[in-house]
Amino acid sequence: KNEVEQSPQNLTAQEGEFITINCSYSVGISALHWLQQHPGGGIVSLFMLSSGKKKHGRLIATINIQEKHSSLHITASHPRDSAVYICAAPSNFGNEKLTFGTGTRLTIIP
Amino acid sequence: NAGVTQTPKFRILKIGQSMTLQCTQDMNHNYMYWYRQDPGMGLKLIYYSVGAGITDKGEVPNGYNVSRSTTEDFPLRLELAAPSQTSVYFCATQRPQGGRRETQYFGPGTRLLVL
Repeated sequence: KNEVEQSPQNLTAQEGEFITINCSYSVGISALHWLQQHPGGGIVSLFMLSSGKKKHGRLIATINIQEKHSSLHITASHPRDSAVYICAAPSNFGNEKLTFGTGTRLTIIP
Repeated sequence: NAGVTQTPKFRILKIGQSMTLQCTQDMNHNYMYWYRQDPGMGLKLIYYSVGAGITDKGEVPNGYNVSRSTTEDFPLRLELAAPSQTSVYFCATQRPQGGRRETQYFGPGTRLLVL
């Protein structure tokens, strides 16, 4: 069993749809990271959260530490949201060593 | 403010050759990381450093070496390139905030092909 699992692996949706990507992890205790990898390969950190919910624009991330589960939501999806979304959990208390999921490839069709 | 820069962007190596992947940051972050990303796989930590003079192994350190003589630079050395080291390499930085860490900042990546 992978230590960080994401679902779905691939997701195609129409522009405007509400998107949910899930992440379950068996490692990590302090925080979870959500990253976005653009089609060109660049990686941007979206969120780091340890409890509750965080919102940035149309992106919302939630986490349930007890259940070791996090979700990333995108409201009013747009073609520019097309990317690979990656979650990562720290495998040590100091949060230096991250274990990454394999990513969810999101495609938004105009 | 350039953030995290990596050179080269792309390199082809022959088996057995050596090279150094450069990573430089201008954000004065103490923590720096090297990851590799293979197709269809998650990023894997190669080495990391929590400050100048301090480095530690990650999940997949074999075949690599690092050094951290300054806060700004964290080079990754491949001594004897092997086809299994064909990958995309990302450098990242992170700022410690008290007892916690903030988000990581990634460089643009170096694509390495070993033939």
